[in-house]
Amino acid sequence: AQSVTQPDIHITVSEGASLELRCNYSYGATPYLFWYVQSPGQGLQLLLKYFSGDTLVQGIKGFEAEFKRSQSSFNLRKPSVHWSDAAEYFCAVGPRSNDYKLSFGAGTTVTVRA
Amino acid sequence: GAGVSQSPRYKVTKRGQDVTLRCDPISSHATLYWYQQALGQGPEFLTYFNYEAQPDKSGLPSDRFSAERPEGSISTLTIQRTEQRDSAMYRCASSQGTGSSYEQYFGPGTRLTVT
Repeated sequence: AQSVTQPDIHITVSEGASLELRCNYSYGATPYLFWYVQSPGQGLQLLLKYFSGDTLVQGIKGFEAEFKRSQSSFNLRKPSVHWSDAAEYFCAVGPRSNDYKLSFGAGTTVTVRA
Repeated sequence: GAGVSQSPRYKVTKRGQDVTLRCDPISSHATLYWYQQALGQGPEFLTYFNYEAQPDKSGLPSDRFSAERPEGSISTLTIQRTEQRDSAMYRCASSQGTGSSYEQYFGPGTRLTVT
């Protein structure tokens, strides 16, 4: 069965420190991979996506993610977090066929302390 | 419009009542999705439209749930005879085309509470 796992429910990080959010997936073939951010009162916003090619993907707001096929992982990173990065982050996968169903992880809430 | 909008943003209803949620997608977008997001979970697919056609309703939890998009633009999601387990955030998203290679743009959601 297809699944997306975000092992960390909640992460607290100091402003200026680095951040890494984990995502593992179980899928028949390498899917499309996405990271979304949800700020309070806002809709989900796409941070970055991986379709093919370079396994290190750059996104908006200074985020990047690395696809590792051998580990079925797509971890999100930011070298130096800002207080505005406090939000909930969702990893999602979508099939490479002309299918449309995204499967989302349960999310990781990030708290940034001063 | 500039983005996806949803109304109402919050809805409290009593068990057994019917509710209708509205989604106004980005005007050029052909495809519209509905998701249900329970507390502490990620969004789960309910149904989608390609213009006014509704090719997949497989995610709707029961026949109490229905959705329509009669003119291929605004969509509504109706829940009849609401139950407490229907309490969730309902999210709408739209995209230019169908398929996970097309970016989905999400609205702010409607928080439904059934008392």
